[in-house]
Amino acid sequence: DTGVSQNPRHKITKRGQNVTFRCDPISEHNRLYWYRQTLGQGPEFLTYFQNEAQLEKSRLLSDRFSAERPKGSFSTLEIQRTEQGDSAMYLCASNQATGELFFGEGSRLTVL
Amino acid sequence: AQKITQTQPGMFVQEKEAVTLDCTYDTSDQSYGLFWYKQPSSGEMIFLIYQGSYDEQNATEGRYSLNFQKARKSANLVISASQLGDSAMYFCAMREGPRGSTLGRLYFGRGTQLTVWP
Repeated sequence: DTGVSQNPRHKITKRGQNVTFRCDPISEHNRLYWYRQTLGQGPEFLTYFQNEAQLEKSRLLSDRFSAERPKGSFSTLEIQRTEQGDSAMYLCASNQATGELFFGEGSRLTVL
Repeated sequence: AQKITQTQPGMFVQEKEAVTLDCTYDTSDQSYGLFWYKQPSSGEMIFLIYQGSYDEQNATEGRYSLNFQKARKSANLVISASQLGDSAMYFCAMREGPRGSTLGRLYFGRGTQLTVWP
C-alpha cells in the first residue's frame, strides 16, 4: 500500500496522559500536514512540514502539542497532558506541492 | 469570517439523479485553489476535483464537475448519475495562493452529508 499511513487508528486515554500519533506519508511527498477534525466539523489545520522544516503552525496548536518530522519522512504528533477537548480525529496528509492533499485514515483520540 | 461556507448540512438524492452541493468562499487573494473531498464513514478524505482561480473552464472529473462562478465566489460540486456508493460527507476546501505555493494549508467547510437512496 503506497498511501498515507497513520497509527494508531484509535486511542483511548485518561485525562492528563500523553499520547503520540505517527504518520507515514506517501514516500515521494515532501510536504506533510496535520489536521484535527471534531464531530460535525470540517478538518482544521494544525501544522505543516516541508521536508523536516515546520513551516506553519496554527493557533490551535497549543503548548501541549508538538509535531516533528526529524528526517523529512514520517512525522509524529504528541499531545501532552491530554484534556477532554482534545478528543477528535487527527488527520495526516501529504503532497508534493501539486495542490491536492492525500489523506490518511486518521487517528481517533478519545480522552476520558 | 468563514473562509468556506457550506449551507446544506444534508442532501438527499435518488440513485441515477444529479445533485448539486453548494459551496461559497471568501478570500481577497487573486490566486487560489478550490477543492472538493469526499469522506465516507471509514474516515479517509478522498480528493475529488480541483479548480484554480485562473482556470477559465469548469473542472470535470468523470461524474464530478465543479460549477465555478468567480464573481459570486461559489464553487458548487455537481455529481451526475448518483450511485449508492456516493453516500458520504462532502467537504469544500480552499487554498490561498498559487498552486505549489508554500502556503500549504487548506481551509475546509463544515461539510454536506449526501444520502443516495435507491
